[in-house]
Amino acid sequence: AQSVTQLDSHVSVSEGTPVLLRCNYSSSYSPSLFWYVQHPNKGLQLLLKYTSAATLVKGINGFEAEFKKSETSFHLTKPSAHMSDAAEYFCVVSESGTYKYIFGTGTRLKVLA
Amino acid sequence: EAQVTQNPRYLITVTGKKLTVTCSQNMNHEYMSWYRQDPGLGLRQIYYSMNVEVTDKGDVPEGYKVSRKEKRNFPLILESPSPNQTSLYFCASSLIGPKNIQYFGAGTRLSVL
Repeated sequence: AQSVTQLDSHVSVSEGTPVLLRCNYSSSYSPSLFWYVQHPNKGLQLLLKYTSAATLVKGINGFEAEFKKSETSFHLTKPSAHMSDAAEYFCVVSESGTYKYIFGTGTRLKVLA
Repeated sequence: EAQVTQNPRYLITVTGKKLTVTCSQNMNHEYMSWYRQDPGLGLRQIYYSMNVEVTDKGDVPEGYKVSRKEKRNFPLILESPSPNQTSLYFCASSLIGPKNIQYFGAGTRLSVL
């Protein structure tokens, strides 16, 4: 059975400092992994997606994530936080060949001026 | 403009009064899905559909029905709503295959009294 754990429910960073949002997954087969962002009172937008090509995935707005099979992790990073990055972030896993998606419980990112 | 449209955006109803939340997409996507979002639980998949007349249960299907009579529409039906179905609901659609990036609607906030 697949599952996903976001290790931090809240993360606070200062503007201009690095962002790290942690995600661990469990999947029986080759997973597809996604990060989505949800700004307040908005729908969800895809940041990036991993599907067994390059292990380092680059997304929009300077975000990237690295797939580490040995650690079953897919952490999201950004070198320098911007005020507009304040939002909730969801890590999502889907086993290849299925279209069932399991969302993590979310990490709320706060960016301090 | 490519979009997923949900209606209504806000709905207050009473226990037992049947309701339907509509979802429509204009991207000719085969796949459509419904999620509910609750604080601290992230998004949980209710039902999904791989194509017309093909639907499958997600993780929390109890109390919900769906239908897929046309490719563009995927309504969510609550035959007898209960207070524990008070939630924020999202519809999503995507292509099937390597480009399975889900596009989300703006959400429907439902309150069942």
